[in-house]
Amino acid sequence: DQQVKQNSPSLSVQEGRISILNCDYTNSMFDYFLWYKKYPAEGPTFLISISSIKDKNEDGRFTVFLNKSAKHLSLHIVPSQPGDSAVYFCAASGGGSEKLVFGKGTKLTVNP
Amino acid sequence: DAGVIQSPRHEVTEMGQEVTLRCKPISGHNSLFWYRQTMMRGLELLIYFNNNVPIDDSGMPEDRFSAKMPNASFSTLKIQPSEPRDSAVYFCASSSRGQNYGYTFGSGTRLTVV
Repeated sequence: DQQVKQNSPSLSVQEGRISILNCDYTNSMFDYFLWYKKYPAEGPTFLISISSIKDKNEDGRFTVFLNKSAKHLSLHIVPSQPGDSAVYFCAASGGGSEKLVFGKGTKLTVNP
Repeated sequence: DAGVIQSPRHEVTEMGQEVTLRCKPISGHNSLFWYRQTMMRGLELLIYFNNNVPIDDSGMPEDRFSAKMPNASFSTLKIQPSEPRDSAVYFCASSSRGQNYGYTFGSGTRLTVV
């Protein structure tokens, strides 16, 4: 069973517009959430994270929102740039474990 | 810092052969993780070590898979015998407990079993 779900396999947006990537989770023990970005032929790289004690975290063009009651988080990229084109993975951990559970990823394409 | 180093980058082998994937974690990191990425299942954790000790191997698919970490700077993932369904990208990652950015991943090994 998938504990972390990214229901959109792909997303296409225009340069300069907002990209919104979504993630849902089922495990109530999760208390730390991360987004990773992955380019072809490379490993995933850390992008931004959020603890369950917060509902928003910003880092430049990237903002992550957490809705604990809905068990939902989203990543907003504003403005989107062609270099943002990559696969984005949502990940979660909790219960004191170091294990990260990943979603299947969403492929973002930003068109010039 | 050279990051997490995996070798080989690509491996093509025949069904039934033994395959060994290698990983050098970041110096000072005390946890090491092996993940497998496939289209169907995404990124799935196979096994992880803390201070060279296997902590959770519940993701190892079968007895054909084994992993070792003989010291803090080296780990191997072995598949014997390999099968076509093992074809995937295998990632190694390392972390230091308490860091807030999760893991640092290597570039992966793309395994093709024919």
